[in-house]
Amino acid sequence: GAGVSQSPSNKVTEKGKDVELRCDPISGHTALYWYRQSLGQGLEFLIYFQGNSAPDKSGLPSDRFSAERTGGSVSTLTIQRTQQEDSAVYLCASSPGQGGGIQYFGAGTRLSVL
Amino acid sequence: GNSVTQMEGPVTLSEEAFLTINCTYTATGYPSLFWYVQYPGEGLQLLLKATKADDKGSNKGFEATYRKETTSFHLEKGSVQVSDSAVYFCALIPQGHSGGYQKVTFGTGTKLQVIP
Repeated sequence: GAGVSQSPSNKVTEKGKDVELRCDPISGHTALYWYRQSLGQGLEFLIYFQGNSAPDKSGLPSDRFSAERTGGSVSTLTIQRTQQEDSAVYLCASSPGQGGGIQYFGAGTRLSVL
Repeated sequence: GNSVTQMEGPVTLSEEAFLTINCTYTATGYPSLFWYVQYPGEGLQLLLKATKADDKGSNKGFEATYRKETTSFHLEKGSVQVSDSAVYFCALIPQGHSGGYQKVTFGTGTKLQVIP
């Protein structure tokens, strides 16, 4: 596609429910990242994919968070048993090659846990 | 570890004022340095970058010079416009061998508001 696409753009859920956030990277980009941006905070790295593998998932805050990538393209971030502190904007980015250098970001998914 | 420190916002300026947003970093060697901008409701996009000491990155009237001696990469613009209102993030990628994965370290962001 022309840019990184994320869906949904907004998600409101009840505490304890599971949510899935989707990211469509730029076509041909092998590297994909997920970040979390909380109100008034910077970007918190969650996970890095190279192809379908995740060589760095050191930023996932708990075992309630998981992510996968299929076909070297679309990625899904899943949050199980959501908590209010999970409320944030979740950003996805992609880049070509091995991942160093410029990253291209989607507009994000704003998650609100009530 | 690596870190990026930005001046806290929000920064409020009148149109046509001079802008400086300070950024300092901690990293070994010669990291690559970036400024990203996030307009309301959008994702981050690259504004400019510099990959070696004394390089100046520039774009859309914004400039930043890579200063190794002060480990700084301050963002400047001579005359801001209302359309420059956004959040600005300083970031670095550590020096490393080519082709390898290098995690980007972002600053916390500085919100700029330009009033007419």
